[in-house]
Formats: sequence, structure tokens, C-alpha cells
Amino acid sequence: GQNIDQPTEMTATEGAIVQINCTYQTSGFNGLFWYQQHAGEAPTFLSYNVLDGLEEKGRFSSFLSRSKGYSYLLLKELQMKDSASYLCAVRAPSGGSYIPTFGRGTSLIVHP
Amino acid sequence: DSGVTQTPKHLITATGQRVTLRCSPRSGDLSVYWYQQSLDQGLQFLIQYYNGEERAKGNILERFSAQQFPDLHSELNLSSLELGDSALYFCASSVGDPAGEGYNEQFFGPGTRLTVL
Repeated sequence: GQNIDQPTEMTATEGAIVQINCTYQTSGFNGLFWYQQHAGEAPTFLSYNVLDGLEEKGRFSSFLSRSKGYSYLLLKELQMKDSASYLCAVRAPSGGSYIPTFGRGTSLIVHP
Repeated sequence: DSGVTQTPKHLITATGQRVTLRCSPRSGDLSVYWYQQSLDQGLQFLIQYYNGEERAKGNILERFSAQQFPDLHSELNLSSLELGDSALYFCASSVGDPAGEGYNEQFFGPGTRLTVL
């Protein structure tokens, strides 16, 4: 089976840096995605990692270690609008295709 | 706006009923995915299609079925509804084949909120 773990909730201060961790155990691996989801809205794509290392995109960076089954999303210069749920998702093979398995999400609260 | 449209936005119905949710993918996208999101289960993958063909199934109940039509829009049919089926149902689309390796970003629609009373 597939298992993805991430913290349920985190809080941080505006302007600070926060790291959201994700660990996974899956049968096979073909990429890890991070999505942002504001309450009641659709998830929006943030990042994609398939090779080990750090991918940087503006204020957001994502890191992957396939040998450790570990990823993190780093958010810098936090803004109030970053308060949202952050979903880690792993794409893994299943029945001739690839299917995504999502973690339960980390609810990030940014306070002034 | 992701370019993916879903109708209706809200749906309220009774237990035992049947409903159909509709999704139109972004222009040019051949793949469609369906997800269910409830408070206690998170985002659960249901089923995926590519150019009219089913590619993979996830945690989809036998009471649920879906199809992708020649014009690439998709419908998710939910029957014999139960209280526990109340959730947000998202559709997503992507350009590539879900069975292909590599990067395949999904764009999510705004969702249909289903309430079963």
C-alpha cells in the first residue's frame, strides 16, 4: 500500500521561514508533488520533484530524498495569504498506469 | 482560473438518490482525473481517463462510475447515495497520458460540493 505522512498543523509568523515535511512509503515512485489548497478551493500546483535535490521557485522550494522517502516544502518570507493547506502527493505505478496518492495535508496558519 | 470547469457547484440530494457530476478539461488536455475530498479522508483519487479510455482506478466504490466522452468531457455518476458520500468532488486534467512517465501536472477544477441528507 501507499502511505504518506505530513504534520497536521503548523503555525508561523509573517516574514519568517517554515519547512513542511513529508515522508512516504510507496510501491514504486514516479515523482512527488506539492499543492496548495485554500479552504473550499481547488488545489493548485506548487512544485514537482523526481530527482534528489532542491528545486527552487521564488519564495517556495521543495527538496526530495528518494532513498529516505522524504521531502520538504520550504516557504520563505511568509505572507498572510500563505495560510492554507499544503498537500504532498506521490505518483506511483498501479495497474499499468501511475496514480497519485495524497497526504492528509498540513494546515499552515500564518499570524502577524 | 485553471481552465477546468465543473458543474454543478453545489448539489443537495437525499440518501438513495443518483447524481451526475460533469467536468470539462482544459483545452488541449486529454486526461481527466476524479477525486473525492472529505474532512476525515483527505483527497482521495477515484479514477483517471486518457482520451476516452480508463487508465486506472483508485478508491472508487462500485456504486460510483465514470466515463470520458469523445469530446473529452467526463461525467462521474454516484448512485444509491449515502450520508458518507457527502464531500467535495474535484476533477483535474492534464496534457499527458497518466500511464506515461515523467512530469504530468494536473490542473484542478473548482469542485462540486455534494451534500447528502
